Amino acid sequence: AQSVTQLDSHVSVSEGTPVLLRCNYSSSYSPSLFWYVQHPNKGLQLLLKYTSAATLVKGINGFEAEFKKSETSFHLTKPSAHMSDAAEYFCVVSKGTGFQKLVFGTGTRLLVSP
Amino acid sequence: ETGVTQTPRHLVMGMTNKKSLKCEQHLGHNAMYWYKQSAKKPLELMFVYNFKEQTENNSVPSRFSPECPNSSHLFLHLHTLQPEDSALYLCASSPEWREGPNEQFFGPGTRLTVL
Repeated sequence: AQSVTQLDSHVSVSEGTPVLLRCNYSSSYSPSLFWYVQHPNKGLQLLLKYTSAATLVKGINGFEAEFKKSETSFHLTKPSAHMSDAAEYFCVVSKGTGFQKLVFGTGTRLLVSP
Repeated sequence: ETGVTQTPRHLVMGMTNKKSLKCEQHLGHNAMYWYKQSAKKPLELMFVYNFKEQTENNSVPSRFSPECPNSSHLFLHLHTLQPEDSALYLCASSPEWREGPNEQFFGPGTRLTVL
């Protein structure tokens, strides 16, 4: 079975400082991994995805994530936070093969202060 | 209009009411999904439709009844709900329910409150 653990329920940063949102996964198969973002009163938007190609994945809005099999991690980073990055972020895993159910983490709320 | 739209955005209903949630996607996709998002819990997949056929029912109570008349529209019919059913209901779509990575596109959700 697949699962993800988001290690922090809240992360607070100042504008212009780096962002790190942590995610560990568990999968019996070679996984596909995603990060989604949810702004208030909006649906979920895909930030980036890993599908067994390059281990460093670049996404939208300057975000990137690195797949580390030895650590079973897929942490999300951004060099410099912007006020508009304040939102809830979800780490998601699915099987690399077969029919695709997405398994969501519980989310990390990112707070960005001026 | 582009993307995935959901109506209504907010709904308050009593336990004896019957109401329906509507989802429409303008992406040419063939798979559509209903999710439930409750506070402090991960998103829960409720139903999957692929080419208008229901392929997944994730042990959802019968007071939730989905309908998919075509690949662009998805409904969730609600009746005799309980207060614990209050949540954000999200609709999503993807090209199809198939093997391989499955990027899904989400609507803004319907915030449901059951009194």
